[in-house]
Amino acid sequence: GAVVSQHPSRVICKSGTSVKIECRSLDFQATTMFWYRQFPKQSLMLMATSNEGSKATYEQGVEKDKFLINHASLTLSTLTVTSAHPEDSSFYICSADTGPFSTDTQYFGPGTRLTVL
Amino acid sequence: GDSVTQMEGPVTLSEEAFLTINCTYTATGYPSLFWYVQYPGEGLQLLLKATKADDKGSNKGFEATYRKETTSFHLEKGSVQVSDSAVYFCALRPSGGGADGLTFGKGTHLIIQP
Repeated sequence: GAVVSQHPSRVICKSGTSVKIECRSLDFQATTMFWYRQFPKQSLMLMATSNEGSKATYEQGVEKDKFLINHASLTLSTLTVTSAHPEDSSFYICSADTGPFSTDTQYFGPGTRLTVL
Repeated sequence: GDSVTQMEGPVTLSEEAFLTINCTYTATGYPSLFWYVQYPGEGLQLLLKATKADDKGSNKGFEATYRKETTSFHLEKGSVQVSDSAVYFCALRPSGGGADGLTFGKGTHLIIQP
């Protein structure tokens, strides 16, 4: 199946700093990528939809100025958590679309564990 | 809005037991339905999917049938193995085309004992 990577897998940062997380589709081109957030023992919550070459679409309640998304190419999307605070500590997961239809499969990256001190 | 409800675990079974993990959904139209599995320390992997009513998805001995009348997509396996221990997520993707994110259930932690 299709492979999606994320980097870094873990990051610890101080409060007030910014952190960038990369999501890459390794063996296919993804017009659309998605960013999710997973709290401990809870489900994945969609944060935003990222389309190559255009602005990301954010879900209700997600601060677009705090979670900056850039989709520079068909294989790379980045999520930057700006001025991170302890409440931003979470597991961030990206996924990449294999096609434009609702029946197409999304493939997920392994996730990035962010800890803000 | 759309939602997915699945039984919460942990679910503990003995090896070779029969497995059912219930999943029901709320959505308009005909969403696509998915089961993803997350093994310890790994990312989510697609287990199976169904894209229209009465479709049956199957993979690795797991099966799930898209039941529109009961808005359900229950996951079953006839004989589980220790290696099936993982967290299982039921998810839906809205119908209507275009690129939409998935709506997930809370996940079911499955523990298989030898």
